[in-house]
Amino acid sequence: QSVLTQPPSVSGAPGQRVTISCTGGRSNIGALFDIHWYQKLPETAPRLIISGDTHRPSGVPDRFSGSRSGTSASLAITGLQAEDEADYYCQSYDSSLSRWVFGEGTRLTV
Amino acid sequence: QVQLQESDPGLVKPSQTLSLTCSVSGGSITSGSYFWSWIRQPAGRGLEWMGHIYYFGSSTYNPFLKSRITISMDTAKNQFSLHLTSVTAADTGMYYCARLVAGTAGWFDPWGQGTLVTVSS
Repeated sequence: QSVLTQPPSVSGAPGQRVTISCTGGRSNIGALFDIHWYQKLPETAPRLIISGDTHRPSGVPDRFSGSRSGTSASLAITGLQAEDEADYYCQSYDSSLSRWVFGEGTRLTV
Repeated sequence: QVQLQESDPGLVKPSQTLSLTCSVSGGSITSGSYFWSWIRQPAGRGLEWMGHIYYFGSSTYNPFLKSRITISMDTAKNQFSLHLTSVTAADTGMYYCARLVAGTAGWFDPWGQGTLVTVSS
């Protein structure tokens, strides 16, 4: 299994707020390596939506926000819309494994 | 803007070598401090970083794959390639090329659309 743990699924009604957690350990998130988040819609490539823990690339709505604390990070989505229904992945670097690592992904249902 | 596109290998037989090429448009693979990467998603599993090649040609690989993987680049064609030897059914899945920005602390952006690799006899 992945070194970054995400819940398999979350859901929310349109307009609501949801959070997706990403829990790691001392050799990745706890070692202060940056956390990044991706959105993957069916049949499309993953899209970067948060880089460097909290930064939104150009074109990403401000409904998406990232945070971190200790060995965990979170992605929050406010004002849920039907188009947000997708898989979301967190990503960081692990110094013990010497590789870039991803969470298993969380399926968001709106 | 930079765009990436994977080649389509189709069906690969067990024990053979998987070869994929990523064509980069909208920018040169030798410009900037980027790492040109391969990431896969085996069937039913999460995303796995496989390795990358730095813009001046040195490669780094996932230790789990190190004995089977080679990543190379063709600067004249603005492409980089993946070769994975001795494939098994466990190598079946979606394969993506992507650009790693900012090294160890970095993120992958953009990504190619992905190509499905099936290992079967």
